[in-house]
Amino acid sequence: EAGVAQSPRYKIIEKRQSVAFWCNPISGHATLYWYQQILGQGPKLLIQFQNNGVVDDSQLPKDRFSAERLKGVDSTLKIQPAKLEDSAVYLCASSLITDTQYFGPGTRLTVL
Amino acid sequence: QQQVKQSPQSLIVQKGGISIINCAYENTAFDYFPWYQQFPGKGPALLIAIRPDVSEKKEGRFTISFNKSAKQFSLHIMDSQPGDSATYFCAASNTGNQFYFGTGTSLTVIP
Repeated sequence: EAGVAQSPRYKIIEKRQSVAFWCNPISGHATLYWYQQILGQGPKLLIQFQNNGVVDDSQLPKDRFSAERLKGVDSTLKIQPAKLEDSAVYLCASSLITDTQYFGPGTRLTVL
Repeated sequence: QQQVKQSPQSLIVQKGGISIINCAYENTAFDYFPWYQQFPGKGPALLIAIRPDVSEKKEGRFTISFNKSAKQFSLHIMDSQPGDSATYFCAASNTGNQFYFGTGTSLTVIP
């Protein structure tokens, strides 16, 4: 069974630029999560999708972050414009049912 | 507001020893408590999880102890091995939604 795929693995941008991350969940997994993990901290949930719909985006900074999940499969997370404090690893996870999450390798973002 | 508090921040254990990591939560609506293991450059991987209807769950060398009245749960790693050296995160969720993670514990097992 293929795992959660994420790309790119690394991204370096200047502040005020935009960036997008892509996630392909495990086939058949209805629930998809995006997390932000700042160095030395635990993952923080940004947004949770159930199929196409948003279940929870209470911690998503909506003035600069956006996410979509087309056709209930792949998802993209966008930051526009990026700030220095957005430097982190962005993790995508999926689950067949809620509870057991499978994480991808993450995208390490550095904002200069 | 930290929904899940984890301690210690770092832990050094001799090979063969017992590693213990503790977590505490406030929200009594939480009903699922997983532990994740994370190696450098990798995403977290589910290690073991418990629901509040049981006080203990064991899987191999890993045991979760759960104290509902104290709103605390802990991970015990028996016979710790160098390969267990990683960062461990506790987490809590409410019916599979609103996952909150602890701040992590960096475990080093000395050969």
